[in-house]
Amino acid sequence: KAGVTQTPRYLIKTRGQQVTLSCSPISGHRSVSWYQQTPGQGLQFLFEYFSETQRNKGNFPGRFSGRQFSNSRSEMNVSTLELGDSALYLCASSQGQGETQYFGPGTRLLVL
Amino acid sequence: DQQVKQNSPSLSVQEGRISILNCDYTNSMFDYFLWYKKYPAEGPTFLISISSIKDKNEDGRFTVFLNKSAKHLSLHIVPSQPGDSAVYFCAARINYGQNFVFGPGTRLSVLP
Repeated sequence: KAGVTQTPRYLIKTRGQQVTLSCSPISGHRSVSWYQQTPGQGLQFLFEYFSETQRNKGNFPGRFSGRQFSNSRSEMNVSTLELGDSALYLCASSQGQGETQYFGPGTRLLVL
Repeated sequence: DQQVKQNSPSLSVQEGRISILNCDYTNSMFDYFLWYKKYPAEGPTFLISISSIKDKNEDGRFTVFLNKSAKHLSLHIVPSQPGDSAVYFCAARINYGQNFVFGPGTRLSVLP
């Protein structure tokens, strides 16, 4: 089975812009979670989608949003980018909620 | 308040010896735990899991031990190999359907 894929792998944006990241889960997986990893930090949970519905949400501002499509693919959007949003954004998929998650390679976002 | 702690930011071990990575948690409601390995510029790779109904789970060179009364789990790697050099994250969830909470990670260096 193909693993979790994320596009793009690298992205450079400037403050105030918005960005959309994409994640394709493992075939058959219906749950997609998003995480932010910054230098020196662990993985900070952003949100989880299951069957096109946001099921769990972390402590991030409303500038961070996401959605899931009927084929389980997910997108994450960050509006009004700030310098502190520079991070590695990881997507993970699982068959169901709360089950073992399998991660994609991540999208490295740099905000200038 | 960090619910999942990995108090050793780094660990160095000689090749062939045992590596022991520790993880402590504060929430006694956690019922399922995962360990991941992460190389630079890649997404975390799932290693091994353990349910709270068990106290040990083994998979090849990797063994995870869970001590519920101490709210402590550990990952043993025997024998350690240079390719094991990576950052290791432990993660925990409260129950099925809830998101995972990740520790900050421990950087393991296996010296040849």
